Amino acid sequence: GQNIDQPTEMTATEGAIVQINCTYQTSGFNGLFWYQQHAGEAPTFLSYNVLDGLEEKGRFSSFLSRSKGYSYLLLKELQMKDSASYLCAVMDSNYQLIWGAGTKLIIKP
Amino acid sequence: DVKVTQSSRYLVKRTGEKVFLECVQDMDHENMFWYRQDPGLGLRLIYFSYDVKMKEKGDIPEGYSVSREKKERFSLILESASTNQTSMYLCASSFRQGHTDTQYFGPGTRLTVL
Repeated sequence: GQNIDQPTEMTATEGAIVQINCTYQTSGFNGLFWYQQHAGEAPTFLSYNVLDGLEEKGRFSSFLSRSKGYSYLLLKELQMKDSASYLCAVMDSNYQLIWGAGTKLIIKP
Repeated sequence: DVKVTQSSRYLVKRTGEKVFLECVQDMDHENMFWYRQDPGLGLRLIYFSYDVKMKEKGDIPEGYSVSREKKERFSLILESASTNQTSMYLCASSFRQGHTDTQYFGPGTRLTVL
């Protein structure tokens, strides 16, 4: 079967750095997405990786290793507004998105 | 900016009622999707559509149907609502650009079935 694994919840301190991991097993691979979802709101697109390596976008970076079926989202200089759920999703060979359950990130002052 | 709108943010219905959830996108996207999201579970795909009048079942289509009469509008129908259909319903749209197919979401409809 296809599955995406990510931690259920993480806690970090304002101003610090946090890494949210995602491992996947899917039939085929056409890219990995990270979305941010604030409580009660819709997911918003953060990043897309299809090649191995690190993609940096401001305070957020996303890393992919296709051979290991592994990605992480790195958030630097954490702010209180970064408190949200972070969803990992993989596009399979049929261009269907397979979603992880999301990681709830709690930021403490 | 891509804009995906959904007809209601909150909806309360009775068991057995027919429920319509509407979704409209203004970016001329070919692809549209309906998901439900429940605590502790990932987004689960109910139905999707790659073109007008076209529909495909997702992972959990039972108890739902859809309609896509116009490119910009994708409707989700609960023929006879049941309490286990209480959930957050999210609509998304996308278009394929090379290997990328980024989905953009509407604000969601929180449906409660009593």
